[in-house]
Amino acid sequence: GENVEQHPSTLSVQEGDSAVIKCTYSDSASNYFPWYKQELGKRPQLIIDIRSNVGEKKDQRIAVTLNKTAKHFSLHITETQPEDSAVYFCAASIEDMRFGAGTRLTVKP
Amino acid sequence: GAVVSQHPSRVICKSGTSVKIECRSLDFQATTMFWYRQFPKQSLMLMATSNEGSKATYEQGVEKDKFLINHASLTLSTLTVTSAHPEDSSFYICSASVGQETQYFGPGTRLLVL
Repeated sequence: GENVEQHPSTLSVQEGDSAVIKCTYSDSASNYFPWYKQELGKRPQLIIDIRSNVGEKKDQRIAVTLNKTAKHFSLHITETQPEDSAVYFCAASIEDMRFGAGTRLTVKP
Repeated sequence: GAVVSQHPSRVICKSGTSVKIECRSLDFQATTMFWYRQFPKQSLMLMATSNEGSKATYEQGVEKDKFLINHASLTLSTLTVTSAHPEDSSFYICSASVGQETQYFGPGTRLLVL
């Protein structure tokens, strides 16, 4: 089955700096890669997603890149703000979604 | 749009009792609903996938007789934790999707078994 690995597990940045979270997946058939943000005690919220026919997607301060050959995808957050602090999960999906272990991002004001 | 509700949000029960958790898609018809379990500071672990009107597909290691899933309609799925024990204490989250892609998550149910 699909196996998703996510790094780093924790990430601390200064407000205004960029943050990058990386994920790798094992099943080359995976074709959908969403990223979720989960604040403490709340449900995961979809923040951006990318499909296998696209290499990069951007939405304001958030971007995701996908390298199908290497089977890895990354989340980039620019100009980080304290409210970006949360746990971020990547996922890979063919039919069922498999999640990475999560990255706890802390943005220091 | 794409709102998923979950009830109850929090439940405390005695060991040996059963607990039912409801997951509803409020403004769309969900072809598929998923049930996840999340331990503190850990990722979401898929427990089972259910399609309306058919039996749920359970992930390896998940006891189907313990975690009963019923998907009676396109807007409602229920998870029943039967004969709950303290090790079943966890955060249970459902999600609903149209087709196979974007999943919309419920707010989760925190179960504490004493």
